Amino acid sequence: AQSVTQLDSQVPVFEEAPVELRCNYSSSVSVYLFWYVQYPNQGLQLLLKYLSGSTLVKGINGFEAEFNKSQTSFHLRKPSVHISDTAEYFCAVSDEGRMDSSYKLIFGSGTRLLVRP
Amino acid sequence: NAGVTQTPKFQVLKTGQSMTLQCAQDMNHNSMYWYRQDPGMGLRLIYYSASEGTTDKGEVPNGYNVSRLNKREFSLRLESAAPSQTSVYFCASNSGRSSYEQYFGPGTRLTVT
Repeated sequence: AQSVTQLDSQVPVFEEAPVELRCNYSSSVSVYLFWYVQYPNQGLQLLLKYLSGSTLVKGINGFEAEFNKSQTSFHLRKPSVHISDTAEYFCAVSDEGRMDSSYKLIFGSGTRLLVRP
Repeated sequence: NAGVTQTPKFQVLKTGQSMTLQCAQDMNHNSMYWYRQDPGMGLRLIYYSASEGTTDKGEVPNGYNVSRLNKREFSLRLESAAPSQTSVYFCASNSGRSSYEQYFGPGTRLTVT
């Protein structure tokens, strides 16, 4: 079964500093990878996704992530964070690498990004 | 265009009571999902419906039932609530036509005492 590990439960960072949120997955088949963001008291929204092609994926709000197959990682980065980036970030992988109408997502436990002034 | 809506936003139940969480989407999506979110555990899939008329168990289905009432609506029922079901519940939908993004509702915060 697939699994997703987000080792950092909380990452504090100062405003305008760079940040990296780590995500590792386990899978024996091709995978599709996602990062979602959850702002306080809201649902989740998609930041970016990797389906195929270029291993560097750019998303909304200046975030990007790099797919590394050999290290089974999909770390999220932003060169300069803002106070408004304070939120919880979830890494997810598609179940069994299927992307048909019934695909399911396996989520990591989440990383809370806390941006301080 | 409201996207995915959930009712109620908050609910407090006593152990043994029943309730139904409602979810509706107006994006004409085929697939719908119910997740629960617990601190430090991310989101776990309870049930999903790949298309109207079908439902399947996810990772944590025990204690829950679902109904795909029509293409728009997917409800989650707790027949006899337990404190272990205290959680935030999210509904999501996906068009299923090579679209890989799941759209989430705002959530229902449920407390079982």
